[in-house]
Amino acid sequence: QKEVEQNSGPLSVPEGAIASLNCTYSDRVSQSFFWYRQYSGKSPELIMSIYSNGDKEDGRFTAQLNKASQYVSLLIRDSQPSDSATYLCGRKKSSGDKLTFGTGTRLAVRP
Amino acid sequence: GAVVSQHPSRVICKSGTSVKIECRSLDFQATTMFWYRQFPKQSLMLMATSNEGSKATYEQGVEKDKFLINHASLTLSTLTVTSAHPEDSSFYICSAMEGGEPYNEQFFGPGTRLTVL
Repeated sequence: QKEVEQNSGPLSVPEGAIASLNCTYSDRVSQSFFWYRQYSGKSPELIMSIYSNGDKEDGRFTAQLNKASQYVSLLIRDSQPSDSATYLCGRKKSSGDKLTFGTGTRLAVRP
Repeated sequence: GAVVSQHPSRVICKSGTSVKIECRSLDFQATTMFWYRQFPKQSLMLMATSNEGSKATYEQGVEKDKFLINHASLTLSTLTVTSAHPEDSSFYICSAMEGGEPYNEQFFGPGTRLTVL
């Protein structure tokens, strides 16, 4: 089992819809979770970090963490074509640990 | 978020030459910096982790004598690709972390696209 798993997609949603991106991880000791957005040919950009169970909202983005289920998700409300990118889920077991990424989910928002 | 810069953004060199890439944290002190490589349509691959003033820790399969990393200060790390060959052509991205719980977010530089002819 991969340490961090994501569906590669593409996930296609219409403009204005909610895009739901999911990520599972293989251990029960991970402490920190991150969502990055990567446009084609560019480097990753941090969108959200989450450390505690529950929801964390920032603008149109909501991260949800369920440590018991080893599951973290990212919701994007009112999706825009500019949100079309690859979304990388990452986790660290501790603050000094290396960031382990999933393979990323490609999101396509149709105008 | 914090800002990380990289220089140069793009470099083309001849086979056998060495290329140095600089990574700077502009508005915070980075206790730890990371170097990644990404081939087209593939995932990010961590090459090495460096802490200021210490030797870098390389991931399995990464040649430390080929990819020299220096983390001389809390705001600067350099990656030197020595005797570059066409197979080293890739997108090199650095990342910096301020450190400490819970501020362990990593911020990525814009990347350096290396083409070795």
